[in-house]
Amino acid sequence: DIVMTQSPVSLAVSLGERATINCTSSQSVLYTYNNKNYLVWYQHKPGQPPKLLIYWASTRESGVPDRFSGSGSETDFTLTISSLQAEDVAVYYCQQYYATPWTFGQGTKVEIK
Amino acid sequence: QVQLQESGPGLVKPSETLSLTCTVSGGSISSDYWSWIRQPPGKGLEWIGYIYYGGSTIYNPSLESRVTISIDTSKSQFSLKLTSVTAADTAMYYCARAESGDYVDSWGRGTLVTVSS
Repeated sequence: DIVMTQSPVSLAVSLGERATINCTSSQSVLYTYNNKNYLVWYQHKPGQPPKLLIYWASTRESGVPDRFSGSGSETDFTLTISSLQAEDVAVYYCQQYYATPWTFGQGTKVEIK
Repeated sequence: QVQLQESGPGLVKPSETLSLTCTVSGGSISSDYWSWIRQPPGKGLEWIGYIYYGGSTIYNPSLESRVTISIDTSKSQFSLKLTSVTAADTAMYYCARAESGDYVDSWGRGTLVTVSS
């Protein structure tokens, strides 16, 4: 299985400040034939299902605010919230779909400082 | 916008079979890949497996010996069966759609299943 490791486990950021979450995969999730990284980011709030934020590592889902951005390639990825808003308090997960079983990071809890 | 809704018992006894159904509306079930994902209380997300509308399946090897996912396109439903459950199977169970078999883009709201006598 591809192991996904996120850091930090939790993060407290002041409103309007930048939040950065890292995700590392135990093997590359880049398919060279199409040059796509098979990685997504989800936002998960209590009592709600996870919400897709970013796919193909850097493509923002329709309707997702542009303060959310994804970057990285092969094994190292980052989700950045450029200016944290109160409604961004949640747990964020990365997940690879390069190979089954699909696997998730353990999650990063983002809070307001 | 496709919508998914899980249904099934919220309480299952140890050693018995957990059975859940996901009803799809607002879109066709006769395309895409349909998945089950779970989250034990206080823990992270675990992918259980998926089924293609044509019936082919792929399961997480960690659960493969106990899992069956099936699909009924005439009812726009797909289902999960997990046999010989234990307390470790207590979790929020989500059904989800993976368009084109890639990433999950739509989720049901989830249903909590507790394994207890």
